[in-house]
Amino acid sequence: ILNVEQSPQSLHVQEGDSTNFTCSFPSSNFYALHWYRWETAKSPEALFVMTLNGDEKKKGRISATLNTKEGYSYLYIKGSQPEDSATYLCAFAGNQFYFGTGTSLTVIP
Amino acid sequence: EPEVTQTPSHQVTQMGQEVILRCVPISNHLYFYWYRQILGQKVEFLVSFYNNEISEKSEIFDDQFSVERPDGSNFTLKIRSTKLEDSAMYFCASRTRGASSYNEQFFGPGTRLTVL
Repeated sequence: ILNVEQSPQSLHVQEGDSTNFTCSFPSSNFYALHWYRWETAKSPEALFVMTLNGDEKKKGRISATLNTKEGYSYLYIKGSQPEDSATYLCAFAGNQFYFGTGTSLTVIP
Repeated sequence: EPEVTQTPSHQVTQMGQEVILRCVPISNHLYFYWYRQILGQKVEFLVSFYNNEISEKSEIFDDQFSVERPDGSNFTLKIRSTKLEDSAMYFCASRTRGASSYNEQFFGPGTRLTVL
């Protein structure tokens, strides 16, 4: 079984703070890494698909980087807002998706 | 914007009963998936489906499980004789054609299955 880990498990930040969290995955046989944002009672929403070592992708205040050689990806949120509160999931993509446990972010107004 | 829908949102059943979880994938998508998340655990892959047949399945997807695309729009997951440990959130996902790794999967909101 392929192991994907995310840290921290949960995070509370003040509105306006910037934050980041990590997804770790096996560095061998890498194809792609997916980031999802999942709000309670809603569908997980795709944020980024990362494929190349050194990739950096950005969507508004959220960005992600990828290091396939050492097997990690960072997700950054700049100037967190209460609406950023959600669980952020990463998935290592091979023949199937292998998900991490997620990082639950709460942004306190 | 097109979305994946799932019904019901919550299903309660007695142990040993059969349940069918329903999904309507995005209309032009060709690949379909079921995942589950037991409370407090990771989202786990169950099965992928393409061209009216299973393309991949995990160890979890044993003989108690089956999938079907009965009418070209719905995609169903059947659990024949539910067990307590089948209690979980079940997610359906779909995607367009192309390499599985690079294309994002679009997820439904999930069905929470509670087995009593």
